[in-house]
Amino acid sequence: GAVVSQHPSRVICKSGTSVKIECRSLDFQATTMFWYRQFPKKSLMLMATSNEGSKATYEQGVEKDKFLINHASLTLSTLTVTSAHPEDSSFYICSASLGSDTQYFGPGTRLTVL
Amino acid sequence: DQQVKQNSPSLSVQEGRISILNCDYTNSMFDYFLWYKKYPAEGPTFLISISSIKDKNEDGRFTVFLNKSAKHLSLHIVPSQPGDSAVYFCAASAYGSSNTGKLIFGQGTTLQVKP
Repeated sequence: GAVVSQHPSRVICKSGTSVKIECRSLDFQATTMFWYRQFPKKSLMLMATSNEGSKATYEQGVEKDKFLINHASLTLSTLTVTSAHPEDSSFYICSASLGSDTQYFGPGTRLTVL
Repeated sequence: DQQVKQNSPSLSVQEGRISILNCDYTNSMFDYFLWYKKYPAEGPTFLISISSIKDKNEDGRFTVFLNKSAKHLSLHIVPSQPGDSAVYFCAASAYGSSNTGKLIFGQGTTLQVKP
């Protein structure tokens, strides 16, 4: 149980385009979903916290207009990287919570912006 | 300000021996701690957690110890297996078990278990 999927697993795009990443909780309803970014050999950095039906809460330094988060249902959250640039290239990971402090993570999405 | 620190970037142990991964934190409001295992290009996998009201939690080969006075926790893996080779992250939360809180992660420790 507690399986979280992400799609796509890998995406390569041109600079200036927008990329949407989906995060789904497959066998449970997630009250809260989180979006993280991981730089090479670095820790996971929380970008934003997303609750179904409400606006996401962004961490300090994360541009909300750059990283659009939509939490359409209790099983789906999307992250859209708008007007992507090479510095946005990273490994993006989502997680979902059952309501306890334990978060279950998706497999991650490798974004490469050319 | 790194609130959760894993000061050892890497650890190498022999198969069958004990692996001890350490984690220190600075925020006394943290009341729930978790360990995750991560392989390259994959999301973290939850391993084990501990509430601040406990000082030990055991699950199979994995045991987490919490020393609140020292603001220190450790993950013991015994016996270590080659399949345990991965990056281990400790994480802390300040919202307790009744609410969903943000997780603050350490930098990770790469464990290598040699056959």
